[in-house]
Amino acid sequence: GQQVMQIPQYQHVQEGEDFTTYCNSSTTLSNIQWYKQRPGGHPVFLIQLVKSGEVKKQKRLTFQFGEAKKNSSLHITATQTTDVGTYFCAGMENNAGNMLTFGGGTRLMVKP
Amino acid sequence: NAGVTQTPKFRILKIGQSMTLQCAQDMNHNYMYWYRQDPGMGLKLIYYSVGAGITDKGEVPNGYNVSRSTTEDFPLRLELAAPSQTSVYFCASSYPGWRREGGSPLHFGNGTRLTVT
Repeated sequence: GQQVMQIPQYQHVQEGEDFTTYCNSSTTLSNIQWYKQRPGGHPVFLIQLVKSGEVKKQKRLTFQFGEAKKNSSLHITATQTTDVGTYFCAGMENNAGNMLTFGGGTRLMVKP
Repeated sequence: NAGVTQTPKFRILKIGQSMTLQCAQDMNHNYMYWYRQDPGMGLKLIYYSVGAGITDKGEVPNGYNVSRSTTEDFPLRLELAAPSQTSVYFCASSYPGWRREGGSPLHFGNGTRLTVT
């Protein structure tokens, strides 16, 4: 079945440093979604990418979808303590209804 | 709107006991899902439903059952609790008609933290 891998599993950064998490799917995706889960909280939807090579920005967050629609990345510029949490990518295959396969997540810790 | 409401927030079960995790949404979403999240891990799909009366297995359905008698409610039943079912359980819902292309975002409840000892 489809597998979605995320690296790194953990990342410690100093406040103000940049952060990137990478997501790779074993199959071609129809779309990819990104979620953020604060410690002790529930996942919250951030964004969806649909088109090959798509790049979307949300303030300091930049999301990319690979040309082959099998990989994606999330880059945070100048991290802040409010960025702490676990970032999950979730991939959806073609003709999969609305079924998502989640990656294992990247836990971001920010030192003030 | 309350969104997705899960009860209880916490529960401790003894091995072999049974319980039902409740999930309700007031957004008139067709699709509902149950995920489990083990410590430090991602989300695994247990069961899902595309509408009232329709349910299907996800990636890790063994040891669980679901029903969907109404659009709003999607309870998850554990019949014979085992230590391997210690986890945080998240219910989610989505509305597939949300976009013309791509998928629909999932709206998650706050989770139920279950410990089986």
